[in-house]
Amino acid sequence: GNSVTQMEGPVTLSEEAFLTINCTYTATGYPSLFWYVQYPGEGLQLLLKATKADDKGSNKGFEATYRKETTSFHLEKGSVQVSDSAVYFCALGGLGTNAGKSTFGDGTTLTVKP
Amino acid sequence: SQTIHQWPATLVQPVGSPLSLECTVEGTSNPNLYWYRQAAGRGLQLLFYSVGIGQISSEVPQNLSASRPQDRQFILSSKKLLLSDSGFYLCAWRQGSSNTIYFGEGSWLTVV
Repeated sequence: GNSVTQMEGPVTLSEEAFLTINCTYTATGYPSLFWYVQYPGEGLQLLLKATKADDKGSNKGFEATYRKETTSFHLEKGSVQVSDSAVYFCALGGLGTNAGKSTFGDGTTLTVKP
Repeated sequence: SQTIHQWPATLVQPVGSPLSLECTVEGTSNPNLYWYRQAAGRGLQLLFYSVGIGQISSEVPQNLSASRPQDRQFILSSKKLLLSDSGFYLCAWRQGSSNTIYFGEGSWLTVV
């Protein structure tokens, strides 16, 4: 079945540092890929997505590229801020009869220090 | 635009008491609806999903149940809570033609 493996956390960075959170997946076919962000005490918010190979999703300075050859969707940001401190979830969308049953990684906690 | 709300936001309940968490979606019709649970420090577990009124699929055997009495209303219930039911519960929705899932604000349940 489908699975998502995320880089284990927690990740602690200084403000303005470069961020990479690794995400690899296993799936049949070509699912859509997502990154969600969860700020403390809140629900998950869609951060960005990509629907096909070589697509780049971007939002709020974050980027991720759908790499079919390496089955990866790594999240990057060039310069993090304290306000980026949150838990980040990589997810892949279901296909066919499982279209709505997304598979989520375990989440990576990011703490950015001033 | 579409919005999703769930309540209550926080709940502390004794073991053996009943539970009712409610979720509503506005601005769309016939959405797919989901209940997820997030245990402390862990990922998301899909509990139930629904493709229409009265249609509920359970993903894992457990002490909880779900109902969909109206098109945009999804309720998570239990007759008798267990300590292990504590966690962060998230309602979510998806429009049938899309595979993007959108989440509510979440409900913190602590069973004591």
